[in-house]
Amino acid sequence: DQQVKQNSPSLSVQEGRISILNCDYTNSMFDYFLWYKKYPAEGPTFLISISSIKDKNEDGRFTVFLNKSAKHLSLHIVPSQPGDSAVYFCAAGSTLGRLYFGRGTQLTVWP
Amino acid sequence: GAGVSQSPRYKVAKRGQDVALRCDPISGHVSLFWYQQALGQGPEFLTYFQNEAQLDKSGLPSDRFFAERPEGSVSTLKIQRTQQEDSAVYLCASSGWDQRETQYFGPGTRLLVL
Repeated sequence: DQQVKQNSPSLSVQEGRISILNCDYTNSMFDYFLWYKKYPAEGPTFLISISSIKDKNEDGRFTVFLNKSAKHLSLHIVPSQPGDSAVYFCAAGSTLGRLYFGRGTQLTVWP
Repeated sequence: GAGVSQSPRYKVAKRGQDVALRCDPISGHVSLFWYQQALGQGPEFLTYFQNEAQLDKSGLPSDRFFAERPEGSVSTLKIQRTQQEDSAVYLCASSGWDQRETQYFGPGTRLLVL
């Protein structure tokens, strides 16, 4: 069973506009969440994380929002740039250490 | 290099062969994880080490999969009698002492079993 879900396999956004990537989870035991970015033939690169005690974390153009009651998080990228084009994975973890990943969303930012 | 390194980057094996995949974690990282990523999927957890102790191997799909980290640094994932369904990218990640610390991934080993 998929404990972390990314329901949009792809997203296309014009350069300069906002990209919003969504993620849902089912396990209430998850207490921290991460977003990774992946280019072809490379490993996932850490982007940003958030602890369950927060509802927002910001790092430059990237902001992650967490809604615990809805078991939903989202990644906002503002402004989007062509170099942001990649697959974005949402991941969730707990004290057990292992991460649970979604299937990823392919973001394409066009000029 | 300061990142996680993995070797080989690509491996082609005939069905039934044994393979060994190596991971060099970031220096000083206590925790080491192995994940398997099938085409079009997200990474799936295989196993977790804290130093040399294998604390969780619940994700290993069969007893043909074996992982070790004898000195608490380099780790090897071994797959015996490979089968076609083992074809995937095998990712290694390392992190610091706290299980909640960010996991940093290597480039992966792409395994193709013919």
